[in-house]
Amino acid sequence: SQTIHQWPATLVQPVGSPLSLECTVEGTSNPNLYWYRQAAGRGLQLLFYSVGIGQISSEVPQNLSASRPQDRQFILSSKKLLLSDSGFYLCAWITPRWAGTEAFFGQGTRLTVV
Amino acid sequence: SQKIEQNSEALNIQEGKTATLTCNYTNYSPAYLQWYRQDPGRGPVFLLLIRENEKEKRKERLKVTFDTTLKQSLFHITASQPADSATYLCALLDNAGNMLTFGGGTRLMVKP
Repeated sequence: SQTIHQWPATLVQPVGSPLSLECTVEGTSNPNLYWYRQAAGRGLQLLFYSVGIGQISSEVPQNLSASRPQDRQFILSSKKLLLSDSGFYLCAWITPRWAGTEAFFGQGTRLTVV
Repeated sequence: SQKIEQNSEALNIQEGKTATLTCNYTNYSPAYLQWYRQDPGRGPVFLLLIRENEKEKRKERLKVTFDTTLKQSLFHITASQPADSATYLCALLDNAGNMLTFGGGTRLMVKP
């Protein structure tokens, strides 16, 4: 079956510390992968998406970066966190492109930068 | 630029009534449009997909319409229940079929 794993569920990090959030997908191949951030009471802001290994598209300039070292692994990173990086981070995938299938989301990571 | 707009104000309705949520978009030529439900602290969950050649789609108490001329989709929940209280989001893929963007969502509150 198709599943998506995202961890950790919650994270409290000091300002200036690094960040690494990982997302892995099972049961599918060559998915489109996405990272979103959601502020409290707000919509989903698309941060990065990837259509293949090593292919990353960034939608919002920021101090975050993403990488896709393997087909079903998507990593969100930061070298130095800012207070404004706090939020709810969601990983998602769809496959195949243009087939009209729905997006599947991970459980999310609640990041608090203190 | 491409935009997807949903009413940011919460929609409060009485149990048993029909809830209608709106999704408007600009600068898209979507092959299909999706609707999701999101509960607090959780990721969105897919509800319905409607294709550009479909005017209406139904699933149990849910109904979605898609007007590509008006660039608008309406999402209806009939015989609403308190358990339907959640935030509902619409989503589109860009014309290249890669970038999946969501509207800001509309919070629905169904009161008993």
